[in-house]
Amino acid sequence: AQSVSQHNHHVILSEAASLELGCNYSYGGTVNLFWYVQYPGQHLQLLLKYFSGDPLVKGIKGFEAEFIKSKFSFNLRKPSVQWSDTAEYFCAAADNQGGKLIFGQGTELSVKP
Amino acid sequence: EAQVTQNPRYLITVTGKKLTVTCSQNMNHEYMSWYRQDPGLGLRQIYYSMNVEVTDKGDVPEGYKVSRKEKRNFPLILESPSPNQTSLYFCASSSYTGQGTGEQYFGPGTRLTVT
Repeated sequence: AQSVSQHNHHVILSEAASLELGCNYSYGGTVNLFWYVQYPGQHLQLLLKYFSGDPLVKGIKGFEAEFIKSKFSFNLRKPSVQWSDTAEYFCAAADNQGGKLIFGQGTELSVKP
Repeated sequence: EAQVTQNPRYLITVTGKKLTVTCSQNMNHEYMSWYRQDPGLGLRQIYYSMNVEVTDKGDVPEGYKVSRKEKRNFPLILESPSPNQTSLYFCASSSYTGQGTGEQYFGPGTRLTVT
């Protein structure tokens, strides 16, 4: 069955710490991969996406993610977090031929000033 | 301004009373979708549509109906709401290319409470 799994439910960091959020997917064919962010009280916004090509993807606000096909992973990274990065982060995968989109359970990130 | 709008934003209703949540996008997107968000479960796809008159089930379609008669609108219908449908609902739209769905643009959400 298709699935997306995020390892960390809640991560607490101090400002300037480095961030890595794990995401693993299980999909039968070629997938498109996404990271979305949801700031408190707001709707989801796209951070970055991977369809094909360079497996290291750069997104907005200094975030990047690396697609490792052999590990079925698409981990999100940021070298130095800020208090304003406090939010919930969702990894998602979609079949590149269909319309079904599956989200992970989300990771809540709290950054202490 | 490019946007996805949902109405109502908040709704409290009683078990069994039919309701419709509207969703509209002004970006001429082919693809539209509905999700529900529940704590600890992330977002789960209810239904999606890849174009007018084309709809398909997501992961949790039971108890919901949709229609896509116009490209810009994708209403979500709960024929007989039950308390387990209390949730935060998001509509989203995106372009659809040969590589599948693109970036999804989300609406502001509809918080539904069924008593």
